[in-house]
Formats: sequence, C-alpha cells, structure tokens
Amino acid sequence: GENVEQHPSTLSVQEGDSAVIKCTYSDSASNYFPWYKQELGKRPQLIIDIRSNVGEKKDQRIAVTLNKTAKHFSLHITETQPEDSAVYFCAADESGGQKLVFGQGTRLTINP
Amino acid sequence: EAQVTQNPRYLITVTGKKLTVTCSQNMNHEYMSWYRQDPGLGLRQIYYSMNVEVTDKGDVPEGYKVSRKEKRNFPLILESPSPNQTSLYFCASSLRQGGNEQFFGPGTRLTVL
Repeated sequence: GENVEQHPSTLSVQEGDSAVIKCTYSDSASNYFPWYKQELGKRPQLIIDIRSNVGEKKDQRIAVTLNKTAKHFSLHITETQPEDSAVYFCAADESGGQKLVFGQGTRLTINP
Repeated sequence: EAQVTQNPRYLITVTGKKLTVTCSQNMNHEYMSWYRQDPGLGLRQIYYSMNVEVTDKGDVPEGYKVSRKEKRNFPLILESPSPNQTSLYFCASSLRQGGNEQFFGPGTRLTVL
C-alpha cells in the first residue's frame, strides 16, 4: 500500500521568512495530494491540494509543487506570519481514491 | 451550517467496557472515514465507507467496528477497549471518494484506563 514520509518533523522559522515541508510517496498510481493544517486543539483543515496532472499550484502565500517522476511533493509558505504556526500534514490517495494516507506531520513554529 | 459532528468530545473509560463514538454529517456526503491521531504517527485511517452499507478497513482496523446504515451517520464502535486505543479520534467526510476535500469533525479524545 501507499507509504507517505514527511520531513522535517519540526520546523522553526523567523516571521517573514519562508518555510518548506517535503513529502515522498511510494504508490506511483496516486493522483491526489492534499495538505492539511491543524491548529492547536483544532481539527485538520484543507489548505491546498494538487492533482497529478499539475506540477505546481499557488494560493496567495502558499504553494505546492509535485514531481511525479521522483514521487515527492512540497509545501511552500512565503512571508510567514504567527498564525501560520500549526501542524501540517501531507497526504496521498491510494486504491483509486478510496483511501487517503497521511504523513507523520510537521510542527511549524513562527518566531516573532 | 455544513458540518461534521462527533460525540462525545472527551471520554475516559476502563478496559473492556464497550463504547460508541458517533459521527454525523449534514452535507449529503457519500464518503466517510475514521482516523486516529497519535504523536509522531500522523493520522491513520481506521475504517472508511464509500456509501450506505459499504465499509472497508483502513490501515489500523484491529479492535474497531463501524456501520453505515444511513448516509449521514458513521459510528465507531470499540467492543472491548484496551489502553493502546487511547488516542484522539477524528471522523471525516467528503462528497465522494477520490480527490475530494475531507471535512473533519472536532475530534474525540479517548482515554482507556
């Protein structure tokens, strides 16, 4: 089955700097790659997703890139702000989309 | 308001005492799923359902049961809870399987003593 590895597990950046979180996946048939943000004590919420027919997608300060050949995808956050502090999860679909397999999570801390 | 609800939000119980965590969505979603969240392990899928009366195992189904008798409800049943099932549980739903945003419930923190 699908295996998703996420790095780093913790990341600390200065406010205003950029943050990058990377994920690799094992199933070459995966087609859907979402990113979820979980603030402290809250539920995960989708922030951006990308499908296999697209190499990059951007939404304001957030961007995701996908390299299907290498089977990895990354989340990029520019001009980080204190409210970006949270745990971020990447995920990849499996079994024709029946399942979503999550990475282990990255705890991002933005230092003022 | 479109939402996924779970009950209870917090539960402390003892080993072997059967319990049910309810999950309900009001968005007419076909797909529903249960996850457990443990430190360093991310979100791991327990069971999922693609529609009424259609359920299947996720990655960590041992010790859990589910049912999907109605489209809106997807209860998680622990017949004989054990301490290793102490965790934070999330229910989620999406319009259908495959490439759709999953909406998560608020979570249920379960402690099994």
